[in-house]
Amino acid sequence: GDSVTQMEGPVTLSEEAFLTINCTYTATGYPSLFWYVQYPGEGLQLLLKATKADDKGSNKGFEATYRKETTSFHLEKGSVQVSDSAVYFCALSVPNQGGKLIFGQGTELSVKP
Amino acid sequence: GAVVSQHPSRVICKSGTSVKIECRSLDFQATTMFWYRQFPKQSLMLMATSNEGSKATYEQGVEKDKFLINHASLTLSTLTVTSAHPEDSSFYICSARGQTAYEQYFGPGTRLTVT
Repeated sequence: GDSVTQMEGPVTLSEEAFLTINCTYTATGYPSLFWYVQYPGEGLQLLLKATKADDKGSNKGFEATYRKETTSFHLEKGSVQVSDSAVYFCALSVPNQGGKLIFGQGTELSVKP
Repeated sequence: GAVVSQHPSRVICKSGTSVKIECRSLDFQATTMFWYRQFPKQSLMLMATSNEGSKATYEQGVEKDKFLINHASLTLSTLTVTSAHPEDSSFYICSARGQTAYEQYFGPGTRLTVT
């Protein structure tokens, strides 16, 4: 079945460090891929998305490229801030399933000043 | 942007009672809403897909008689946890689908504690 696998957390970085959170997926068909962020005590927010191979999603300094050949959608940011501390979820949506999302297990990021 | 609200944000109930959680799309109409359950430090598990005016579609392993879903209007879906037990304690999150299949807006979640 369709699934998403993320690197395990927690990830602890110093401010201004480079961030990579790995995400790989298994899917039938051609999924759309997403990164969602959940700040403490809040609901999920869409961070970025990519709907086809080689698309790059970007937002707030975060980027992820849809790599069909490696079935990956790794999240990167060149310089993290304390305010980026949150849980990050990779997710996919399979076509013709009404927008149903399948989430990875989430990666907690903690950025220290 | 599109806003989804949930009510209540927190609820504590006694074992054996029922609890209703509301999910509203505040500034758009949503023909499809989703209900998720999130355990501490774990991912979101899709429980069911709620379509306005029709029966909800439940994921495998989710008891439809225990988790009653009603999508009575284009802006409101409700989840009722019937005969709640301590193992039903969890964080319940709803989302509403936007105009395109891959736009999904999430509510802030409801923390249910069953004592």
